Parts: sequence; structure tokens; C-alpha cells
Amino acid sequence: NAGVTQTPKFRILKIGQSMTLQCAQDMNHNYMYWYRQDPGMGLKLIYYSVGAGITDKGEVPNGYNVSRSTTEDFPLRLELAAPSQTSVYFCASSSGRTYRDTEAFFGQGTRLTVV
Amino acid sequence: QQQVKQSPQSLIVQKGGISIINCAYENTAFDYFPWYQQFPGKGPALLIAIRPDVSEKKEGRFTISFNKSAKQFSLHIMDSQPGDSATYFCAASYSGAGSYQLTFGKGTKLSVIP
Repeated sequence: NAGVTQTPKFRILKIGQSMTLQCAQDMNHNYMYWYRQDPGMGLKLIYYSVGAGITDKGEVPNGYNVSRSTTEDFPLRLELAAPSQTSVYFCASSSGRTYRDTEAFFGQGTRLTVV
Repeated sequence: QQQVKQSPQSLIVQKGGISIINCAYENTAFDYFPWYQQFPGKGPALLIAIRPDVSEKKEGRFTISFNKSAKQFSLHIMDSQPGDSATYFCAASYSGAGSYQLTFGKGTKLSVIP
């Protein structure tokens, strides 16, 4: 039972480069999320999706883009990487039907360093 | 902006002691309050959660106490063990139209020393 799978686990980018962080879930969850985690700052929502073809901005969307063409996949795109995007990125999913279903299942994270 | 304030930032407890982490929220529309546990190098995982219609929920050594009037909730870890050493996040969500996103506190790093 894979749950939420993120790739890659680690990545070093140069300033100005672009990359896509991959996220896939096999639980048939409608809701998917991208969070970033910085030391002492908790998790901040970047983007979320309530279903295929539907995405919306979270608290810190600048510098990122997402797409959701299938229920399973929710890639996060970084354009023109900046040092401020150095962080650990977590993808999560939930069934999200009612408040009782909002348990979010997290992937193992992608540690990104921009130099 | 909806916020969840968590304290303390770090906590050191002796093995067998009680660990207490506190959270406060502002948005009275929040209707689900989970706690997540995160070990180094791993993603957060749900530990225990409570709804606002109960004042306490216990699962093994872990208890959530909830005070709706004060808009506060706390996690108590009884008989703390070294294996409990992790970062704990409180969170809150509401079932508003359109999304069910979680708002997280900043986290508490718990160290349980033998």
C-alpha cells in the first residue's frame, strides 16, 4: 500500500533553474495539497486541488504552479528557482468529504536546496 | 488570516513524565482539530484528533483536551518514552464550501531523555 509517493527525495537547483516535484497517491482521494516546511515555521499551504482539473492557491503560491490532470497525480512546478524556495516540500491527500474525513496522508517529502 | 498558535517551540521531558503541548485558535468556524507527529526525515502522520462537541479524547497514552470557550486545545503525552521524541504539530480545519485544508501550528520539538 504505497499511499502518497513523492519524487525526488532530494534535489539541488541553481538559481533560475526550473523543476517539477512529482506527487502520486493511490487512495483515490479527491483532495491533494502541497505544503512547504521551513524550520520553526510549521507547514504552509502552497496549492491545493479538490479534484482533477480544479486547483486553487494556498497561503504561499508565489513562484509555484500546479496542475491536476488525473485524480492520482498532482505535480508542483517551480519556475525560476530562488534561494527563498529552499525548503522541504510535502504532498498530501485526503478524502475530504466531511470534517471527519480530513485526515491528510503525507508523502515522505522532497528536500530542495537552491544555490 | 486564520492562525493556530502553538507552544512551546521545544520541550524536554524525562522518561516517564508528562509532555504537554498547547494550541490556541482564532477562527470559531474550525470544526476539526488533529495532532500530527513527525519523525526526522519523514512526513507528518496523524496521531489523534478531536471534534468540538467533546472536551477530551484519549487514545492510549495520548490525550487531547479541548476548551471551546477559550478556543484552546492541548496534547498530553502520559508516561513519555524516548520513542515519542518527534516534532508535534497541532492543526485545525473547517468544512467550509470548496476546501478542507488544514491550518498548522509551527510545531513543538519534543525530546524525551532516559
